[in-house]
Amino acid sequence: SAVISQKPSRDICQRGTSLTIQCQVDSQVTMMFWYRQQPGQSLTLIATANQGSEATYESGFVIDKFPISRPNLTFSTLTVSNMSPEDSSIYLCSVDDAGSQYEQYFGPGTRLTVT
Amino acid sequence: EDQVTQSPEALRLQEGESSSLNCSYTVSGLRGLFWYRQDPGKGPEFLFTLYSAGEEKEKERLKATLTKKESFLHITAPKPEDSATYLCAVRGGNTPLVFGKGTRLSVIA
Repeated sequence: SAVISQKPSRDICQRGTSLTIQCQVDSQVTMMFWYRQQPGQSLTLIATANQGSEATYESGFVIDKFPISRPNLTFSTLTVSNMSPEDSSIYLCSVDDAGSQYEQYFGPGTRLTVT
Repeated sequence: EDQVTQSPEALRLQEGESSSLNCSYTVSGLRGLFWYRQDPGKGPEFLFTLYSAGEEKEKERLKATLTKKESFLHITAPKPEDSATYLCAVRGGNTPLVFGKGTRLSVIA
C-alpha cells in the first residue's frame, strides 16, 4: 500500500489567515482526495484531485475557499483560505491504491485549530 | 444516494468479551465495502475490503462479513489495544467513498 505523509501535522492559526497543507505519496497515484473530519464527526470529502486537471469539488465546498494544486503524480496541496473557527478540523489526504481495486489509503492528517 | 449507517455509536466491552459492530448500507453498484480503524488524532488505518455478498475476511481478532444490505465486524476476545473508532465506508459506481459515522469501541481490562 502507498505511504502518505502530510505537513504540517498540526497548526494553530488566526482567523482570516490561510494555511496550505502538503500531501506527499511514495508512489505515483492517479487520484488523490482531500477529506475533512470535524470534531466528533466522520469523514467528509472536500474534493478529488487528478493530475493535470481541475479538482472536482463536492457540494458545499468551493475552490475559492479550498484551492487545490496537483502538480504531479505524487504531490498535492490543499489551502484553507480566510479561515474562521468553523474550519477547525482534521484535514486528511487520501489516495487510490493502484494495486488494490478501489481501496483508499489515508495520510496521518493535519489537525487545524483556528482562533 | 449512497448511505452508510453504523451501530452502535459506542460500545464498551470487558477484555475477552466478544461482540459485533454493524454497518448497514445502500449503494448503487457496489464496488466495495471498506472497514477502517481510527485512533484519536490519527488518519484511518485500512483493515478490510469486501466486494460481494458472502465474502469474509479475517485479521487477528477481527472478522468482517458482508451481505447484500449490511456488513458485520466481529471482534473475538478483544484486548484494550483494540479500543478505537471503527469506520465503515462504501464505494459504488464511479463515486468516491461514503463513510458512516463510526463506532467508538472501548475495551476495558
